Amino acid sequence: QVQLVQSGAAVKKPGASVKVSCKASGYTFTSYYMHWVRQAPGQGLEWMGIINPSGGSTSYAQKFQGRVIMTRDTSTSTVYMELSSLRSQDTAVYFCARDLRGDYLFDYWGQGTLVTVSS
Amino acid sequence: QSALTQPASVSGSPGQSITISCTGTSSDVGGYNYVSWYQQHPGKAPKLIIYDVSSRRSGISNRFSGSKSGNTASLTISGLQAEDEADYYCTSYTSSSPHYVFGTGTHFVFGTGTKVTVL
Repeated sequence: QVQLVQSGAAVKKPGASVKVSCKASGYTFTSYYMHWVRQAPGQGLEWMGIINPSGGSTSYAQKFQGRVIMTRDTSTSTVYMELSSLRSQDTAVYFCARDLRGDYLFDYWGQGTLVTVSS
Repeated sequence: QSALTQPASVSGSPGQSITISCTGTSSDVGGYNYVSWYQQHPGKAPKLIIYDVSSRRSGISNRFSGSKSGNTASLTISGLQAEDEADYYCTSYTSSSPHYVFGTGTHFVFGTGTKVTVL
């Protein structure tokens, strides 16, 4: 069965960086794009970017350009999302989500990782 | 791209039907049949329920149905049940290519989300 298991919660200071992992299992890792979506407390869903686990190509939402880097490790079937220059507004739950068909259709989601940015 | 507009909240009594609207433009909802709907219970990851405007994901109750007219998509929940109380988000993929091509920008937008309350 498909599973996406994310790393645990993190607390960071303003200006620091955070790296969240998402380990995939139950399917061929390189056959499906992966996305990152975040949700601030009490707010809606916000798309951050997409990575192709096969070749490593990425595309980021304009809002996060220059601050986010998405990578993958095919040997461990893991994708990573690193967000830098953290500010309090980055406090959110970060989700990875598998793309079923390559058209932003998210069929499986990770459990979410809470990142808290606080001094 | 601007977020798709959803009502902040919709409520209904058990057994009733409710409809959630998702209003966009001819550049997103109105221009493509790639509208999807996600259900999110508190503290959980979103779950795909409807894709391609009106296709129900396998395992999803037939009480959930989707439709579109012009620039507005709709999710209808019939025979409302207590377990349907959740947040609902629409999304639209906005590319003529059925498979995302890296380097062509962002072709996706989330809705603002709707809280469904079962009275």
